[in-house]
Amino acid sequence: SQTIHQWPATLVQPVGSPLSLECTVEGTSNPNLYWYRQAAGRGLQLLFYSVGIGQISSEVPQNLSASRPQDRQFILSSKKLLLSDSGFYLCAWSAIDEQFFGPGTRLTVL
Amino acid sequence: QQQVKQSPQSLIVQKGGISIINCAYENTAFDYFPWYQQFPGKGPALLIAIRPDVSEKKEGRFTISFNKSAKQFSLHIMDSQPGDSATYFCAARGGTGGFKTIFGAGTRLFVKA
Repeated sequence: SQTIHQWPATLVQPVGSPLSLECTVEGTSNPNLYWYRQAAGRGLQLLFYSVGIGQISSEVPQNLSASRPQDRQFILSSKKLLLSDSGFYLCAWSAIDEQFFGPGTRLTVL
Repeated sequence: QQQVKQSPQSLIVQKGGISIINCAYENTAFDYFPWYQQFPGKGPALLIAIRPDVSEKKEGRFTISFNKSAKQFSLHIMDSQPGDSATYFCAARGGTGGFKTIFGAGTRLFVKA
């Protein structure tokens, strides 16, 4: 069966520090991968999606970037965090239609 | 045209009652309509989904009703329980959006014991 992992589960970072969040998927090949951000009590904002290794599409211009170095690995990064980057970051994968989410990373920027 | 509009924003239902959440879409090319359930601090989980070739799909206490001509679909939770208290998202996929899933804004459901 397929499993999606995200780490870390929680993260507290100072403004201006770098960020690296990692997501890995098990049990499937060549998945579509997604990064979402969810502000407290709000909906899901699609940040990036990828249909293959090295193929990244950005939905929202910001100081975040994404990379897909391996088929089932998706990384969200930032060189300098802003206060507004705080939120709940969710990785997801899909094969055909169904989309499955990871457990999320709670990021607090102070 | 890629939006999915969801209502209500929040909902309070008595235990044993029926919870109803509605969604509307514009893009007739959408061909897959899932519902997700999210508990606080957790990722959304796929609850139930429907395709436009059927008007209703039932799984346990959860039913999706789909009206293709009106471009609307709804989630009905029968015999609502306090454990159903969560945020529910409707979504749509397909058409020019391809592999992107378009989510509604979410409905916070609270079931009173």
